[in-house]
Amino acid sequence: AQSVTQLDSHVSVSEGTPVLLRCNYSSSYSPSLFWYVQHPNKGLQLLLKYTSAATLVKGINGFEAEFKKSETSFHLTKPSAHMSDAAEYFCVTKTGANNLFFGTGTRLTVIP
Amino acid sequence: GAVVSQHPSWVICKSGTSVKIECRSLDFQATTMFWYRQFPKQSLMLMATSNEGSKATYEQGVEKDKFLINHASLTLSTLTVTSAHPEDSSFYICSASRQTNYGYTFGSGTRLTVV
Repeated sequence: AQSVTQLDSHVSVSEGTPVLLRCNYSSSYSPSLFWYVQHPNKGLQLLLKYTSAATLVKGINGFEAEFKKSETSFHLTKPSAHMSDAAEYFCVTKTGANNLFFGTGTRLTVIP
Repeated sequence: GAVVSQHPSWVICKSGTSVKIECRSLDFQATTMFWYRQFPKQSLMLMATSNEGSKATYEQGVEKDKFLINHASLTLSTLTVTSAHPEDSSFYICSASRQTNYGYTFGSGTRLTVV
């Protein structure tokens, strides 16, 4: 079955420093993977998605993620954190039933 | 781009009453809509999947008689929480998909508080 595991429940970085949010996937075939961001009491916004076209995926707001089959990983990165990046981030995969399986989420705190 | 409107954004109701939440796709026809529930500081859990014109498919453990889902048109799905209790207090989020391989667009969520 398709699933994802987010390795960190909380990540704290200083403004202007790099961001790394980790996600590992489990899939019996080439997965569809997504990263979503959720600001407090808001819905979800798609940051980027991987659908096997290219292993390095560029998303909105300067985020990108690299699909590494050998490591079964799809980590989200950003070179320089901004205060507005503080939010909850979800790694998500599409299941065989064609709905979405959400990871447990990583709360990103950005320190001024 | 695809936009999904969810209404209301928040609602407070008395225990025992029913609450209806609407999810509308504003600029596309949503063949499939999904309803999620999110408890504080937790991830989203899929409650049910609904296809226009047919009965919703509920996930294991979700009471279909308590959480009534209607997807009568390609642009509107509703979730009715019947006989609400305080333990139903949660953040409910809908999502709409145009076709199987299209992306998923999420509504802004509804914060339900049952007192």
